[in-house]
Amino acid sequence: AQSVSQHNHHVILSEAASLELGCNYSYGGTVNLFWYVQYPGQHLQLLLKYFSGDPLVKGIKGFEAEFIKSKFSFNLRKPSVQWSDTAEYFCAVNAYNRLAFGKGNQVVVIP
Amino acid sequence: SQTIHQWPATLVQPVGSPLSLECTVEGTSNPNLYWYRQAAGRGLQLLFYSVGIGQISSEVPQNLSASRPQDRQFILSSKKLLLSDSGFYLCAWSKLAVRQETQYFGPGTRLLVL
Repeated sequence: AQSVSQHNHHVILSEAASLELGCNYSYGGTVNLFWYVQYPGQHLQLLLKYFSGDPLVKGIKGFEAEFIKSKFSFNLRKPSVQWSDTAEYFCAVNAYNRLAFGKGNQVVVIP
Repeated sequence: SQTIHQWPATLVQPVGSPLSLECTVEGTSNPNLYWYRQAAGRGLQLLFYSVGIGQISSEVPQNLSASRPQDRQFILSSKKLLLSDSGFYLCAWSKLAVRQETQYFGPGTRLLVL
């Protein structure tokens, strides 16, 4: 079964700082990759996804992620965070019709 | 557009009592449906999924069961709750039973078993 690793569960940074969250997965076949975000008190919602094509994927709210097949990675980035980016971020991998989630990154942006 | 509802939003139940959490999807037909449990610092764990009425697959052995009595209704149940059943339960749906699918999540139910 596939597994997903997210490191640095708690991330604290100031507004305008750059954010990068790592995601590594263990599955050798073709995968679909997702980043979900859960803002305080809100639904878990899709931030961006990669199925095929350009490995650099742009999502909502200025986020992007890069799929590096050789590294089994799908890291999330945002060049300049805002206070409203405070949320929990989950990486997920879909293989064999199952969605496997990482443990999440709790990101706190200080104004 | 499609929407997904879960209720109740919050539930406090005594140990040994039964449980019924409901999830309904609007605006689509024949969705795949999923129940997850989210624990702090542990991500989301898939509990059950269903590709059609009466079709339930269990991912992990546990005190819970699921049923799908109607196309867009998915129910999570227990006959006797345990303390360890406390958690945040999320329902999700997706449209296609193929690898290229996106799952969309409901607002969740927070369950506290005392």
